Amino acid sequence: EADIYQTPRYLVIGTGKKITLECSQTMGHDKMYWYQQDPGMELHLIHYSYGVNSTEKGDLSSESTVSRIRTEHFPLTLESARPSHTSQYLCASSPLAGGPNEQFFGPGTRLTVL
Amino acid sequence: GESVGLHLPTLSVQEGDNSIINCAYSNSASDYFIWYKQESGKGPQFIIDIRSNMDKRQGQRVTVLLNKTVKHLSLQIAATQPGDSAVYFCAENNYGQNFVFGPGTRLSVLP
Repeated sequence: EADIYQTPRYLVIGTGKKITLECSQTMGHDKMYWYQQDPGMELHLIHYSYGVNSTEKGDLSSESTVSRIRTEHFPLTLESARPSHTSQYLCASSPLAGGPNEQFFGPGTRLTVL
Repeated sequence: GESVGLHLPTLSVQEGDNSIINCAYSNSASDYFIWYKQESGKGPQFIIDIRSNMDKRQGQRVTVLLNKTVKHLSLQIAATQPGDSAVYFCAENNYGQNFVFGPGTRLSVLP
């Protein structure tokens, strides 16, 4: 069982609200990721980070922002949620250095914007 | 650009039979591949990985085969069980770059 946590697991909010999805890992991994996934569909990388104070945009354009002030914490923020943001958001982490390494995923946050 | 895709979106197998899930990738420079299992309401879970210098790797009831000539990856599950029902994703990586995931195959195990 991977030591990576996401809160909340489910969130239903109204349009225009600001939300922050939390992600924490206790494995000391340098690299962290946020993916967006519609049910049964592929994962789309929206943000990633190589370490503290590093944030990069992923392959899929997103209106969300991220921050990495601490190694273990990688929150994702939506300033003004819209129905188009309804999706599942998955956080992951992996070691930075060395050869092939797997990503460990959190359980996900299912977001519904009304 | 890079793409990883699966041949079949759904697969139904009888309990006890073997399952084969396929994946095609387009980046010949990819050197590392992972198969993930995702159950409903959960995040993807690592199943097995393989490096590009290998053709085959076996785990417990699972085998991954890599054919670099045709850029094809497959996951074989022996004696499929009801608990194997899930969506399976392949993912490729190119020397530490970000992973690229395929669209997923839903495996349904019939009693």
